[in-house]
Amino acid sequence: TQLLEQSPQFLSIQEGENLTVYCNSSSVFSSLQWYRQEPGEGPVLLVTVVTGGEVKKLKRLTFQFGDARKDSSLHITAAQPGDTGLYLCAVTDSWGKLQFGAGTQVVVTP
Amino acid sequence: KAGVTQTPRYLIKTRGQQVTLSCSPISGHRSVSWYQQTPGQGLQFLFEYFSETQRNKGNFPGRFSGRQFSNSRSEMNVSTLELGDSALYLCASSLTTMNTEAFFGQGTRLTVV
Repeated sequence: TQLLEQSPQFLSIQEGENLTVYCNSSSVFSSLQWYRQEPGEGPVLLVTVVTGGEVKKLKRLTFQFGDARKDSSLHITAAQPGDTGLYLCAVTDSWGKLQFGAGTQVVVTP
Repeated sequence: KAGVTQTPRYLIKTRGQQVTLSCSPISGHRSVSWYQQTPGQGLQFLFEYFSETQRNKGNFPGRFSGRQFSNSRSEMNVSTLELGDSALYLCASSLTTMNTEAFFGQGTRLTVV
C-alpha cells in the first residue's frame, strides 16, 4: 500500500490550459513537499508546505495543503510546454524516511 | 555552490556482476539518501547515511549496500546483479537527518543485460 496516492497518473493538455494534480493519504503529516522531475534528471524541489490550509504560490503554480494535513494539490494556471514533467509529492514518514508518491506525468503540448 | 554529483551517469553491466555508484553531496550536507526509480515502482527508498552511519534502510535485499565516508561522500554497491536491478539510481543530500528538503543528483542509469 502506497503511503501517498497521486492522481491522475497521466495528464496531457494544450498550452494555456489549467490543470490540477492531487496527492492524498490517510495519514497526517507535519509537512509535505512537491518536486518536479524532467527526463534524465533528478527531482527538483518546488515547495514545502507545513501548515494545514496553507497556500503557496510559485509564479503560475499554486500549492495547497489540506486543513487536516493529509492531502495536497498543485494547480498550474495557463500551462506552458516548460511545465512538462513528472510531479511528485513526498513526506517524511515516522521513521524519518522521505517517501514519494508514484507521481503524475504532465505533458503540455504547444 | 555545487550541486549533488553522481558518477557515473550511465552504466551497462552483465547479470551476476557487481557495481559501485558514487555520490558527492552538496558541501555542508551530512545526510545522503539513495533511491531506486523504475517505471513500475516509482521512487523507492534504499537507505540513508548520516555522519558515516546508516540511519535508515528500505525493503531491498542484502545485495544492496552502501557506505558514507568522513567527507560525507557516499557509495552504494549492488552485488550479483539481476535484470530487475536496471533502474535510475538517485542520490539526495540534505542538511538534517529528517530530509525535509532533499537535493537530488542527476542519477546513474544502470542497465543490466
